Amino acid sequence: AQSVTQLGSHVSVSEGALVLLRCNYSSSVPPYLFWYVQYPNQGLQLLLKYTSAATLVKGINGFEAEFKKSETSFHLTKPSAHMSDAAEYFCAVSGGSSNTGKLIFGQGTTLQVKP
Amino acid sequence: EAGVVQSPRYKIIEKKQPVAFWCNPISGHNTLYWYLQNLGQGPELLIRYENEEAVDDSQLPKDRFSAERLKGVDSTLKIQPAELGDSAVYLCASSDRSSYNEQFFGPGTRLTVL
Repeated sequence: AQSVTQLGSHVSVSEGALVLLRCNYSSSVPPYLFWYVQYPNQGLQLLLKYTSAATLVKGINGFEAEFKKSETSFHLTKPSAHMSDAAEYFCAVSGGSSNTGKLIFGQGTTLQVKP
Repeated sequence: EAGVVQSPRYKIIEKKQPVAFWCNPISGHNTLYWYLQNLGQGPELLIRYENEEAVDDSQLPKDRFSAERLKGVDSTLKIQPAELGDSAVYLCASSDRSSYNEQFFGPGTRLTVL
């Protein structure tokens, strides 16, 4: 069975500071991993995805994530936070090449950016 | 390119009433998903369609929930009768064969059951 754990339901950073949102996964098959962002009253927007190519994945809005198989992690980072980054962030896993099309999401992390 | 369209965006009903949500996926996307998102949680899959066939409905509470995608394009999710615990956001997503794992989400329908 696959699962995702996001460490920290709330993360608060100052504008300009490093953003680090943690995600650990469990999967019995090589996984595909995703980070989505959700702004209030909106749907989920894909930030980036790992599909077994490069382990360091760059996404939109300056975000990136690194797949570390040994640590079963896929943490999301951004060097300098902007006020507009305040949102809910979700990590998700699917079954890679044996994919059934089902995404398993973590509980989400709310990012607060202080001026 | 138009995104996934959902309507209504908001719905308030009293318990025991029926309710229906509509979704139109991105043009050409064969796969359509309905997710349930409770407050403060990540989305959970209710049902997945490949064209008009429901290929994964194991998480759909079939006693009160139903869904259809008759022509393999748009889809309707219905709850009858609604219960207080059904208050949540219902998200629709779609994907195509070339990016099978990347799902594009609509804005969702926020349901409040009183």
